[in-house]
Amino acid sequence: EDKVVQSPLSLVVHEGDTVTLNCSYEVTNFRSLLWYKQEKKAPTFLFMLTSSGIEKKSGRLSSILDKKELFSILNITATQTGDSAIYLCAAIYNNDMRFGAGTRLTVKP
Amino acid sequence: DGGITQSPKYLFRKEGQNVTLSCEQNLNHDAMYWYRQDPGQGLRLIYYSQIVNDFQKGDIAEGYSVSREKKESFPLTVTSAQKNPTAFYLCASRDFGGTGELFFGEGSRLTVL
Repeated sequence: EDKVVQSPLSLVVHEGDTVTLNCSYEVTNFRSLLWYKQEKKAPTFLFMLTSSGIEKKSGRLSSILDKKELFSILNITATQTGDSAIYLCAAIYNNDMRFGAGTRLTVKP
Repeated sequence: DGGITQSPKYLFRKEGQNVTLSCEQNLNHDAMYWYRQDPGQGLRLIYYSQIVNDFQKGDIAEGYSVSREKKESFPLTVTSAQKNPTAFYLCASRDFGGTGELFFGEGSRLTVL
């Protein structure tokens, strides 16, 4: 059965901390992995990862994919209260895509 | 501007009533999806459609129905058979030939009274 598993499901940190969110996948004919950030309404796109070992960066956020071990991580450095959100990863495979359950990140002042 | 439009944004319904949520996209995307999200949770797939006049059940299709008569439109009906319909519903679309990124509507929040 195809599945995408995120961990931890919930995380509470203080401003300035660095966090690492995990996303593992087991899908047939994997194509790419996407990360989204969701605050109040629709998720917003962060990264798409297709190749192993190539880090993608956007400000304090970065992500990398390991296609051998079938996982991706999302790093956030120097966290801010505005980083509080649900972070979702999704695997695209065949012509389908499947989301993980999400990680709820809370950043306290 | 191209995008996905969901309506209504907020909807209240009495128990036992069916309700239809609209989703329209002008991105010329092949695939469209409906997700349900409960508070603090991730997205769960209800139904998806990859081509006109065809759709498949997702993980939680019971109590829901869809149609895909036009490429641009993928309405979701929440029927009275859905035991716990109060939730946030997100519609999304993507183009198989493009980056594969999923584009989301703004969502519809359904509350059953």
